[in-house]
Parts: sequence; C-alpha cells; structure tokens
Amino acid sequence: SQQGEEDPQALSIQEGENATMNCSYKTSINNLQWYRQNSGRGLVHLILIRSNEREKHSGRLRVTLDTSKKSSSLLITASRAADTASYFCATDAFRGGADGLTFGKGTHLIIQP
Amino acid sequence: SQTIHQWPATLVQPVGSPLSLECTVEGTSNPNLYWYRQAAGRGLQLLFYSVGIGQISSEVPQNLSASRPQDRQFILSSKKLLLSDSGFYLCALTGASSYNEQFFGPGTRLTVL
Repeated sequence: SQQGEEDPQALSIQEGENATMNCSYKTSINNLQWYRQNSGRGLVHLILIRSNEREKHSGRLRVTLDTSKKSSSLLITASRAADTASYFCATDAFRGGADGLTFGKGTHLIIQP
Repeated sequence: SQTIHQWPATLVQPVGSPLSLECTVEGTSNPNLYWYRQAAGRGLQLLFYSVGIGQISSEVPQNLSASRPQDRQFILSSKKLLLSDSGFYLCALTGASSYNEQFFGPGTRLTVL
C-alpha cells in the first residue's frame, strides 16, 4: 500500500521562486527520504532525514520532518528550470531496513523560465 | 562507485509472451537488490527484494517472479505477460549505509500490447 502521499500532485512556478512539496505517511518510520525523477529516468536520491531529526539542509534543499503529524516537506529555494522533475518521498517502517521503501505518488514540479 | 545496469531499456511484448529483465550491479558486494514497478504517472511499487544469492522476497502477489543467480545479478521474469504488467521497471540497491538509501538503475520501459 502507498504509505507516503505527496501534495500537491503538480506544481508550476516561475524560475527563481521557491517550491514546497509535502508528504504525509501513516505508520512509524525509521527515516524518510526524498527522491527526484526526471522524465523516463531512474530515481536519484536527494536527501534522507532520520526520525529523530526535525530539519536538514543540502544545498538549495531543505527538508523538515514532523513525526507527531507524520508529515514532511521538501523546499527547493531559488528554483531553476533544471529542477523540473517529479519528486517522491519514501519511507521505511521499522522493518529492519532491508525490505525496501514505500513511495508516494509524487509531485510533478514544473519550473517555468 | 556503484553502478546499476538494466536491459533492455525499452521492450514491447504481446500479451501472453514471456519476459526476462536483467539487472546487474558493479562497484559493490553483497548488496540488497530490489525490483520496483512504476505505472504511468504513479509512484513506485515494490515487487521483490533480495538480501543474497537465491534469496527472494515478494511484496505483492502477481504473475511475475524474480531470481538472483549471482551476487550482482537480479532477474525479473514472467511466463505470460498481462496488459497490466506494462510499466517502468526499476532495479535498485542499498549500499553500505545502514539507513536504506537506495540507488536506482536507469529502468526498463515495458509495454504489453
């Protein structure tokens, strides 16, 4: 079953603006990750945040995690046309870590030049 | 560095025909390997994972099967394809990190007609 649910499903903004995507999940997690997928390509890992962390930064990316609300957000600052892609959150429950991730349906982000 | 190869890149098959998709990895030993399927415009669904040679776990019942004949080889098969098997198939591995960050291959686009 789909654990992570991203919203919005699609987001279109102007280059230079900030983009915020949200993810909600249902069960306890060990960590939450965000991935990016360019059209027709494999996924690329962006950032991982552990269940005991509340915020994490990587370059223009900022991820927050609220385990009490079972939600996470991904902020991309100063967006660029090259950021156009689909973004997925993924969780792994406390299942030992070996048995894969549960992905949401993704947010399709379009950056207009 | 880790590399994942998938072939073929694209495949068009008639309903009822057999299927064999191959995934090979380089740059790592004894990885955990995963097969995911992504339907059009959807998130990823975990199909199979393997923690070692000959060890396969299935997440969902289906007409697909997986095998791991070698440490760095993971094969997805079907004896008779269904229309619903169409999708984008992604092979992934987890590396040395204990937090389940996954590295994805380039994917195989399967269309069943």
